[in-house]
Amino acid sequence: RKEVEQDPGPFNVPEGATVAFNCTYSNSASQSFFWYRQDCRKEPKLLMSVYSSGNEDGRFTAQLNRASQYISLLIRDSKLSDSATYLCAVKYRGSARQLTFGSGTQLTVLP
Amino acid sequence: GAVVSQHPSWVICKSGTSVKIECRSLDFQATTMFWYRQFPKQSLMLMATSNEGSKATYEQGVEKDKFLINHASLTLSTLTVTSAHPEDSSFYICSAARGQGNYGYTFGSGTRLTVV
Repeated sequence: RKEVEQDPGPFNVPEGATVAFNCTYSNSASQSFFWYRQDCRKEPKLLMSVYSSGNEDGRFTAQLNRASQYISLLIRDSKLSDSATYLCAVKYRGSARQLTFGSGTQLTVLP
Repeated sequence: GAVVSQHPSWVICKSGTSVKIECRSLDFQATTMFWYRQFPKQSLMLMATSNEGSKATYEQGVEKDKFLINHASLTLSTLTVTSAHPEDSSFYICSAARGQGNYGYTFGSGTRLTVV
């Protein structure tokens, strides 16, 4: 079983739709959680950190469920420019600060 | 802030040659940098952790003699792919963390290596 798992998609949604991604992690010692966005052939860019209480940044909402060991990302009012691959990343306590990434979920927002 | 510069952006080399990739933190000091590799439609896989002034820590299955890492200063880490083969063709990305808190990690722009 992979340490960090995501549904690879693809998710094809119309503009304006709400879409949610989940990411599960297997190591209960996980400490910090992030969502990254990666455009084709580009480096990942930090979208948002995920806090225990959940956090929102504009149209994006991130949630953490430690009991079930998953994080989620909700995108409201999808824009064409949201089309990308979304990677979740987990840092484990005592892991020398390295990140473990999921394989990414591909999102395509259609006009 | 927290800019990481990586170059070259892309490189094509012949089998058997070596390629050096540089990763610089431009506006902060990075005692630790991370080198990842990403094959098409796959996730980023950590290759090694680069520590300033000491030897890199390699992940299982990554050959340290093939992927040479040097982190001689607080702002520069280099990855040299030695005796490159076509199967080494991939997207190599470095990253660095700024500070000790719950900060995300900043990535370099990546290097697309093609070995022919």
